[in-house]
Amino acid sequence: KQEVTQIPAALSVPEGENLVLNCSFTDSAIYNLQWFRQDPGKGLTSLLLIQSSQREQTSGRLNASLDKSSGRSTLYIAASQPGDSATYLCAVRRGATNKLIFGTGTLLAVQP
Amino acid sequence: NAGVTQTPKFQVLKTGQSMTLQCAQDMNHEYMSWYRQDPGMGLRLIHYSVGAGITDQGEVPNGYNVSRSTTEDFPLRLLSAAPSQTSVYFCASSYPWGTGGADTQYFGPGTRLTVL
Repeated sequence: KQEVTQIPAALSVPEGENLVLNCSFTDSAIYNLQWFRQDPGKGLTSLLLIQSSQREQTSGRLNASLDKSSGRSTLYIAASQPGDSATYLCAVRRGATNKLIFGTGTLLAVQP
Repeated sequence: NAGVTQTPKFQVLKTGQSMTLQCAQDMNHEYMSWYRQDPGMGLRLIHYSVGAGITDQGEVPNGYNVSRSTTEDFPLRLLSAAPSQTSVYFCASSYPWGTGGADTQYFGPGTRLTVL
């Protein structure tokens, strides 16, 4: 059974710091991996999607990497800002299906 | 495009009551799904649909029913509400798997349900 883990559960950093969020999964047979952002009381917003054949994806200050063989993905946020404060979730998709399996998220607080 | 919309935003029920959570999308997505989010447990899949007239169970389907009569709508029915169903419910939609980056999933704003 696929399990997705995110460590740490919570992270607090000063503004301007570069940071890395971690996501690990137990079954490397994934179709793709998606990173989401969730603001308090809101829905999920997709940040980056990495196909199983890709190693990384970039969008602005965000860079996500994928290492299927080790079952790991990282989300790198450069020059963090208070507006980046949110919960970040990763989710893996198994092959031949749209079903997502989510991690429990990392709550990020960027202090001004 | 409104994207994925959900109603109501908040709901309080008494044990044993029934209700329907509404979900609609205007992106012509074939795939739609319902998740519940509980503290410390992440999002878990309740039911999903790969197109009008086709539904299937997810990870935690007990106590919930779905139907898909149109591409746009995917309502979730609670048959007899229980306190264990207190949660935040999210609806999501996407193109079918295999469409590359276009199969990104889009989520609605959620319905916060409390069962007393």
